[in-house]
Amino acid sequence: DADVTQTPRNRITKTGKRIMLECSQTKGHDRMYWYRQDPGLGLRLIYYSFDVKDINKGEISDGYSVSRQAQAKFSLSLESAIPNQTALYFCATSDSVAEAFFGQGTRLTVV
Amino acid sequence: GENVEQHPSTLSVQEGDSAVIKCTYSDSASNYFPWYKQELGKRPQLIIDIRSNVGEKKDQRIAVTLNKTAKHFSLHITETQPEDSAVYFCAASETDSWGKLQFGAGTQVVVTP
Repeated sequence: DADVTQTPRNRITKTGKRIMLECSQTKGHDRMYWYRQDPGLGLRLIYYSFDVKDINKGEISDGYSVSRQAQAKFSLSLESAIPNQTALYFCATSDSVAEAFFGQGTRLTVV
Repeated sequence: GENVEQHPSTLSVQEGDSAVIKCTYSDSASNYFPWYKQELGKRPQLIIDIRSNVGEKKDQRIAVTLNKTAKHFSLHITETQPEDSAVYFCAASETDSWGKLQFGAGTQVVVTP
């Protein structure tokens, strides 16, 4: 089945380290998104990309960067991780006529 | 930007009763309103959505209503079952930006047998 795959699924890292979260999809969608989920805050948009050459900041982009390597791949980087970036991160995809489909999530802990 | 508020934050219902979750939004340009269900440890999954050209949509035990004038929309679950226990999120966006969603904070629904 077509899916959205995130790696790693769980990661513990130290403050100040650089870390990359990866997302790949086989749904054939052109649009990809990174969301962050914190308890009591819902999901908040970090970055989004409507095609390979398009990158846009979301609501909470500070401290993050992204790379759209191909239509099917969208990576999120934390250049220097800090403890308040501890959260559950979701990648999502959509096309121009359909709803967002989410990956399984990456649980990131910064110690 | 868009702001979506969701109430209540927790909802406990007896099996067989109905559950209602309400959301308000601020941006009149929003015209697409999905609802996602997230079970513990799982990804959010779309359960129903509504676009601004209709006022109500139903899918089996789930229905969503939309009042564009008042900028609010609601999820109704009838004949609740234990498997309905989950966190439910409302969201809003413009239909040319399907996945660029502004989410509510979520409602933890617990259905007790």
